[in-house]
Amino acid sequence: KQEVTQIPAALSVPEGENLVLNCSFTDSAIYNLQWFRQDPGKGLTSLLLIQSSQREQTSGRLNASLDKSSGRSTLYIAASQPGDSATYLCAVTSGNTPLVFGKGTRLSVIA
Amino acid sequence: DTAVSQTPKYLVTQMGNDKSIKCEQNLGHDTMYWYKQDSKKFLKIMFSYNNKELIINETVPNRFSPKSPDKAHLNLHINSLELGDSAVYFCASMSQLKPHEQYFGPGTRLTVT
Repeated sequence: KQEVTQIPAALSVPEGENLVLNCSFTDSAIYNLQWFRQDPGKGLTSLLLIQSSQREQTSGRLNASLDKSSGRSTLYIAASQPGDSATYLCAVTSGNTPLVFGKGTRLSVIA
Repeated sequence: DTAVSQTPKYLVTQMGNDKSIKCEQNLGHDTMYWYKQDSKKFLKIMFSYNNKELIINETVPNRFSPKSPDKAHLNLHINSLELGDSAVYFCASMSQLKPHEQYFGPGTRLTVT
């Protein structure tokens, strides 16, 4: 049974810092991995999707890496801004299966 | 245009009532899901529906019943609501074509009093 763990559970950083969020999964037989952002009381916004054959994906100040063999992914956020404050969720799927989510990392960027 | 929409956004009701949450997607996707996010913010799958097949998560009480009138809609009906059903319910859809990316609705916050 696939399990996804995210560390840390919460993170507070001053504005401008670079930061890394970690995600690990127990079953390396995944099809893809997604990083989502969830603002308080809001839905989920997909940030990046990495196929199992890929090593990383970049979008603006965000860079997600995937090491499938070790069951790990990282989300790197460069030059953090207060607007980046949200909960970041990592999720994996084995193709047609539903996503299995981690519990998220709650990020606060302090101005 | 909203890709995946849910109604209502908020739902407050009393124990024992029956309620429905509606979900519609205009992406032409053939697979839809219902997820539940509990008070600890943990998101877990409840159902997945792919045109021909409904896959029920066995941990979901049978008071919950998904209904799909057509490929673009997957509604969630809940009978005899309990306090523990209070949560945020998210609908999502996905295309069978690559890259198998799921698109989520805005969520429905259900509060049972």
